Amino acid sequence: SQTIHQWPVTLVQPVGSPLSLECTVEGTSNPNLYWYRQAAGRGLQLLFYSVGIGQISSEVPQNLSASRPQDRQFILSSKKLLLSDSGFYLCAWSRQGASEQYFGPGTRLTVT
Amino acid sequence: AQSVTQLDSHVSVSEGTPVLLRCNYSSSYSPSLFWYVQHPNKGLQLLLKYTSAATLVKGINGFEAEFKKSETSFHLTKPSAHMSDAAEYFCVVSDGPGRRALTFGSGTRLQVQP
Repeated sequence: SQTIHQWPVTLVQPVGSPLSLECTVEGTSNPNLYWYRQAAGRGLQLLFYSVGIGQISSEVPQNLSASRPQDRQFILSSKKLLLSDSGFYLCAWSRQGASEQYFGPGTRLTVT
Repeated sequence: AQSVTQLDSHVSVSEGTPVLLRCNYSSSYSPSLFWYVQHPNKGLQLLLKYTSAATLVKGINGFEAEFKKSETSFHLTKPSAHMSDAAEYFCVVSDGPGRRALTFGSGTRLQVQP
């Protein structure tokens, strides 16, 4: 069966510090991968998606970036965090050609 | 363009009574529709999906949803609420496979009173 992991679970970072969130998927090959942000009391906003190694598409201009160094690894980064980057970050995967996505447990980021 | 409207931001029911969470969608194509559930500080779990087969879709934990094309609706129901059903529920539409094809509703928070 497939599983998706995210870490860290929670993170408190000062404004201006760097960020690295990691997501890995097990039990499948060549998945589509996604990063979402969920701000308090709001729906999900798609940030990035990837259809393969090194292939990243950005949905929203911002100070975040994403990378996919391996087939089942997806990393969300920032060089300098802003207060507005606080939120709940969710990674998801889907099979190639399928619509349904499967979500990880999420990372709660608080920028102070 | 596709969109999803969840008609209630909050729904409160008593344990053992029926649950109805309402969702309307718009899509340029024949859509796939999903319901996800999110418990506090957790990821989203897929409850059920409609992909143009049977219009009544059964999901996990006793939930089901009916696709009504004439009404562009995909309401989620459960005959008898359980305390563990208290969570946020998202209606989601996709009009194409893969990539950025999911559009999320704003969510409905379900409260279950003892």
